[in-house]
Amino acid sequence: NAGVTQTPKFRILKIGQSMTLQCTQDMNHNYMYWYRQDPGMGLKLIYYSVGAGITDKGEVPNGYNVSRSTTEDFPLRLELAAPSQTSVYFCASRPGTVSYEQYFGPGTRLTVT
Amino acid sequence: GQQLNQSPQSMFIQEGEDVSMNCTSSSIFNTWLWYKQDPGEGPVLLIALYKAGELTSNGRLTAQFGITRKDSFLNISASIPSDVGIYFCAGTSTSGTYKYIFGTGTRLKVLA
Repeated sequence: NAGVTQTPKFRILKIGQSMTLQCTQDMNHNYMYWYRQDPGMGLKLIYYSVGAGITDKGEVPNGYNVSRSTTEDFPLRLELAAPSQTSVYFCASRPGTVSYEQYFGPGTRLTVT
Repeated sequence: GQQLNQSPQSMFIQEGEDVSMNCTSSSIFNTWLWYKQDPGEGPVLLIALYKAGELTSNGRLTAQFGITRKDSFLNISASIPSDVGIYFCAGTSTSGTYKYIFGTGTRLKVLA
């Protein structure tokens, strides 16, 4: 099992550009999450999904969009990138209501200049 | 948003020593999780706790779910150089079991 995979590993964007961060899990988990991690701060939830077709906002959703068309994939879209979106982004998944164990991908380091 | 108070923020220890760190919350939690994160990598799940008073081990790591349900502890015995990294706690509160609240991490450095 690959677990949770994320692409790209690194990306540099210019202000105003858009991009999609990809996340895929092969564990058949129902719940998926997107977090951002800023230096010295705890992980902050951007969006989450409890199943295909169902998404909801987290703590810091502004400037981002998500979709969940399949169980496996949960892409994060950045529209009109801003320097404040410079961060490390982590995707995570969890089986569902039975288990609270959440598993993380390797992250995408994004710089907006 | 709510964050967990995790302490210490950082610690330097000698190889072979035992390590203790904790996490506290102002509200009651249903679940506590402990993660380790290496530089440039994603957090790796170490231990999950589900009941007040629960004590769970994973090799040299032992974690406990506090009986007040507002805290959790992680102990590492006989530390080795590869224990270096950042240890995060996370939990779910009674107000929302989908979402996790994370601590800011304890940075551990082991001196050989």
